[in-house]
Amino acid sequence: GENVEQHPSTLSVQEGDSAVIKCTYSDSASNYFPWYKQELGKGPQLIIDIRSNVGEKKDQRIAVTLNKTAKHFSLHITETQPEDSAVYFCAALYSSASKIIFGSGTRLSIRP
Amino acid sequence: GAVVSQHPSRVICKSGTSVKIECRSLDFQATTMFWYRQFPKQSLMLMATSNEGSKATYEQGVEKDKFLINHASLTLSTLTVTSAHPEDSSFYICSASKGSNSYEQYFGPGTRLTVT
Repeated sequence: GENVEQHPSTLSVQEGDSAVIKCTYSDSASNYFPWYKQELGKGPQLIIDIRSNVGEKKDQRIAVTLNKTAKHFSLHITETQPEDSAVYFCAALYSSASKIIFGSGTRLSIRP
Repeated sequence: GAVVSQHPSRVICKSGTSVKIECRSLDFQATTMFWYRQFPKQSLMLMATSNEGSKATYEQGVEKDKFLINHASLTLSTLTVTSAHPEDSSFYICSASKGSNSYEQYFGPGTRLTVT
C-alpha cells in the first residue's frame, strides 16, 4: 500500500529564517501532493498543492518542490513568522484507491 | 470558496450511548466525503469514504457497524458512533471533495468526542 514518510517530526526556527519539511512517497503512480497546516484544535487547512506535471510551485512565502524520480517532495517556508507555528502534514494521492495518505506531521515552532 | 462545517464541535456522552456528527459542505456540492480520526499528536487516519447515495467504503480495521456513515445528499454526510466507549474518544474530522476530477479535499473544523 501507499506510504508517506515525513521529516522532521519537530522543527524550531528563528523568526525570519526558512523552514524546510521533506516527505517521500511509495506509490509511483501518485500525481497529487497537498500540504496541510493544522492549528491546535482545528481541522487541517490546505496551504499549497502540487501535481506531478510540475516540479515546483510557489505562493508568496510558501513553495513546494517535487522530484518524481526520487519520489520525494518538500515544503519551503521563507521569512517565517510567529503565525506559521503549527503542525504541517504532507500527503499524497493513492491513485488506485482515490484516497489521500498523510505523512506523520511536523510540529513547527517559530522562535521570536 | 470551499467551506466545510461540522456539528457539534465538541460532545461529551456516556458509555453505551450513540452520537451523531454532521459534516456539511456549505458552498459546493460534495460528491465524495471522507471521515478521519485523529489521536493526540498523531496524523489523520482515514476511516471511510462515502459517495452520495452509495454505501460507504470502510478502511481495514474500522467497524462499519460501530461507525455508521450516511451520505444522503451532496452537501451532508453524517457519522454516528454507536454504543460509544471511552476508547472511541478522539478528534473526528470530515473532508469533502468537489468531484471525481477534483483531487482537493476541504476539511471541516473537527469534532472532539469524549466518552465518559
